Amino acid sequence: DTGVSQNPRHKITKRGQNVTFRCDPISEHNRLYWYRQTLGQGPEFLTYFQNEAQLEKSRLLSDRFSAERPKGSFSTLEIQRTEQGDSAMYLCAVGRSSGNTIYFGEGSWLTVV
Amino acid sequence: KNQVEQSPQSLIILEGKNCTLQCNYTVSPFSNLRWYKQDTGRGPVSLTIMTFSENTKSNGRYTATLDADTKQSSLHITASQLSDSASYICVVSELIKAAGNKLTFGGGTRVLVKP
Repeated sequence: DTGVSQNPRHKITKRGQNVTFRCDPISEHNRLYWYRQTLGQGPEFLTYFQNEAQLEKSRLLSDRFSAERPKGSFSTLEIQRTEQGDSAMYLCAVGRSSGNTIYFGEGSWLTVV
Repeated sequence: KNQVEQSPQSLIILEGKNCTLQCNYTVSPFSNLRWYKQDTGRGPVSLTIMTFSENTKSNGRYTATLDADTKQSSLHITASQLSDSASYICVVSELIKAAGNKLTFGGGTRVLVKP
């Protein structure tokens, strides 16, 4: 257990619905990353926060995707008007400015039917 | 474009045997290289992390090596156990001043240990 909590762990939704995932990081870890991982592939970078500031967004993050980290602690990743291609595991990872270690959560599985 | 290539894509070994996984990267500027173990349906768990000046690092039966000149790394698993069955992912960090470490992931090597 890395101490990074992600909810929900699994979500099945109909195409066109909106979904939101939440990540609760270890305290005092100011860096937070979101990744997407499909079966048999390595994780792909989506976005990065340092405290509450969103410093980088991948071009994979289309306008249907939005991420927030309002108080620099927990973060949410929302997908609007879901498509079948959004089916994947969404991973949250955290780290500190002062260190190299990055901890991953267990991921949130999304299935769009 | 920064890339991390892993080989083989998958391998099957018998319990008790050793194996070595390879990772080649083109990430620059290099900050550090990590190996993660990922069980099916779970998040990656860190095994080792090495900076530019480190050539080898061990974590129990896992030993990672790094050759920063040739931009290659390997992960050696000694006396494999059934619980070693997982994907092993090589991750290379690019140092970005304002944004800290930017991680580039390899596609992983899927290891299956058979009794």
